[in-house]
Amino acid sequence: GNSVTQMEGPVTLSEEAFLTINCTYTATGYPSLFWYVQYPGEGLQLLLKATKADDKGSNKGFEATYRKETTSFHLEKGSVQVSDSAVYFCALSDSWSGAGSYQLTFGKGTKLSVIP
Amino acid sequence: DGGITQSPKYLFRKEGQNVTLSCEQNLNHDAMYWYRQDPGQGLRLIYYSQIVNDFQKGDIAEGYSVSREKKESFPLTVTSAQKNPTAFYLCASQPRDNQPQHFGDGTRLSIL
Repeated sequence: GNSVTQMEGPVTLSEEAFLTINCTYTATGYPSLFWYVQYPGEGLQLLLKATKADDKGSNKGFEATYRKETTSFHLEKGSVQVSDSAVYFCALSDSWSGAGSYQLTFGKGTKLSVIP
Repeated sequence: DGGITQSPKYLFRKEGQNVTLSCEQNLNHDAMYWYRQDPGQGLRLIYYSQIVNDFQKGDIAEGYSVSREKKESFPLTVTSAQKNPTAFYLCASQPRDNQPQHFGDGTRLSIL
């Protein structure tokens, strides 16, 4: 079956530090990959996505590249801010999940805290 | 603005009681999903529906029930058979292709 593994947190960084959150996946077919962000007490918001190998998703200074050869989709940001403090989820959507649905498979989430 | 509305934001359940969580979307999306979120465990799929009057069990459906009588609405009932219902519940919707899911703001359910 499909699975997503992301680095365990919590991760604590100083403001303006470089961020990497590792994500690797296992999938049966040809998945699309996503990063979602969850701020305290809220639902998930899509941060970025990539639908095929070598695609780079980017948004709000965050980037992730779909690497099929290493089955990875690591999230990076060059300079984090206090407002980036949140939980980040890596996820995949694979049409081979069964019954023609596009279910999401999530990693367990990585909590990021950015201190001034 | 289009979006997903979950209500209530906080809900308390007494022993032996069924409670229903509401999820409404005005995005005209075909597919809808219910997830349960527990600390450190990510999101787990409870039920999903790809079309009106049809729904499928997810990974942790026991103790829960759903209905999909209208495209816009996908309520989740947490029954008394669910012995550990305390969690954050998230509803999502998705267009009928491989596009990102959109999430509501969640309902936090606790036991009295």
